[in-house]
Amino acid sequence: SQTIHQWPATLVQPVGSPLSLECTVEGTSNPNLYWYRQAAGRGLQLLFYSVGIGQISSEVPQNLSASRPQDRQFILSSKKLLLSDSGFYLCAWTGGAVSAYEQYFGPGTRLTVT
Amino acid sequence: GQQLNQSPQSMFIQEGEDVSMNCTSSSIFNTWLWYKQDPGEGPVLLIALYKAGELTSNGRLTAQFGITRKDSFLNISASIPSDVGIYFCAGRSVHKLIFGTGTRLQVFP
Repeated sequence: SQTIHQWPATLVQPVGSPLSLECTVEGTSNPNLYWYRQAAGRGLQLLFYSVGIGQISSEVPQNLSASRPQDRQFILSSKKLLLSDSGFYLCAWTGGAVSAYEQYFGPGTRLTVT
Repeated sequence: GQQLNQSPQSMFIQEGEDVSMNCTSSSIFNTWLWYKQDPGEGPVLLIALYKAGELTSNGRLTAQFGITRKDSFLNISASIPSDVGIYFCAGRSVHKLIFGTGTRLQVFP
């Protein structure tokens, strides 16, 4: 069966520090991968998605970047965090053996920028 | 970015009551999905709909894909305390999902 992992689960970082969040998927190959951000009490904002290794589409221009160095690994980064980067970051995948249209989410990373 | 309109924004109901929520869009979608999110966790897929007019059930949950392909409905029958959470609809647009604004459900004993 397929599983999706995110780490770390929680992170507290000072303004101006770098960021690296990791997402990995097991049990499938060539998935589409997604990064979302969710502000407290709000909906899901799509940040980036990837349909293959090295292929990144950015939805919202901002202080973040994404990379996909391996088929089942998706990384969200920032060189210098802003206060407004705080939020709940969710990784999701779709494709593989299950329906190509159903996205499955990871457990999320709670980021607090101080 | 583009979002779907969900209503109601929040609901406070008594255990045992039935719940209805809906999602509308100005665009046509070929796939509608419904998710539930518990506090501090990632959304969990509840139901996926692939055809206009389709009615699909998952236990006490029933969802419908609107005939116009611009809306979808989710019903929960005989609510229980663990139904508490935020429910999101989503419509598929090529490689992406467009998410609704969410309906927050509270269930009182």
